[in-house]
Amino acid sequence: AQKITQTQPGMFVQEKEAVTLDCTYDTSDPSYGLFWYKQPSSGEMIFLIYQGSYDQQNATEGRYSLNFQKARKSANLVISASQLGDSAMYFCAMREAPSGGYNKLIFGAGTRLAVHP
Amino acid sequence: GAVVSQHPSRVICKSGTSVKIECRSLDFQATTMFWYRQFPKQSLMLMATSNEGSKATYEQGVEKDKFLINHASLTLSTLTVTSAHPEDSSFYICSARPLGGGADTQYFGPGTRLTVL
Repeated sequence: AQKITQTQPGMFVQEKEAVTLDCTYDTSDPSYGLFWYKQPSSGEMIFLIYQGSYDQQNATEGRYSLNFQKARKSANLVISASQLGDSAMYFCAMREAPSGGYNKLIFGAGTRLAVHP
Repeated sequence: GAVVSQHPSRVICKSGTSVKIECRSLDFQATTMFWYRQFPKQSLMLMATSNEGSKATYEQGVEKDKFLINHASLTLSTLTVTSAHPEDSSFYICSARPLGGGADTQYFGPGTRLTVL
């Protein structure tokens, strides 16, 4: 079963506008972490933002904010004031701790964001 | 701080040869390192988790005899793709969790692009 679902294969946004990238997750573990990473064409994974399952407030990092809706199991990324340099692949990930195993990250399929001038 | 390097960044080899990829934490000690594989236009898939001084834990479907992982020190893990074939061509990314770091702390290397002819 899919643990992390990103339903938008591709998104377009006009420069300077805001965009929301969707992510839903599935876990029965009460303690988990949610992440967003940016992967430009160079391939490096750039950490953007993190939300812990017990965090009361939505995480924010500069132009990035995470819309965490725990009951709906969603963790959407909001990018405000899009810039041309934001064009990249974006991955949502969840840290899970399988019984008896190590904590590990599970990634969604990704959303390719294109920012148009 | 918290820099992870990978060497080589790109490698092209002939079918049947073995290729070693190094993952180093440059300014911190890492008890746990993770190896991921990413096929073109796909997401990152965890291959294995390695802990310094112990055997790696492989994910289901990953052949441990084909993908040899050695985590000989707190700053170095190596992935050896043995008898590589064209279907092993992929982007291999490592990440490292710092000694004393929480479950949600890991830093990614820049990746190694393997092409098997």
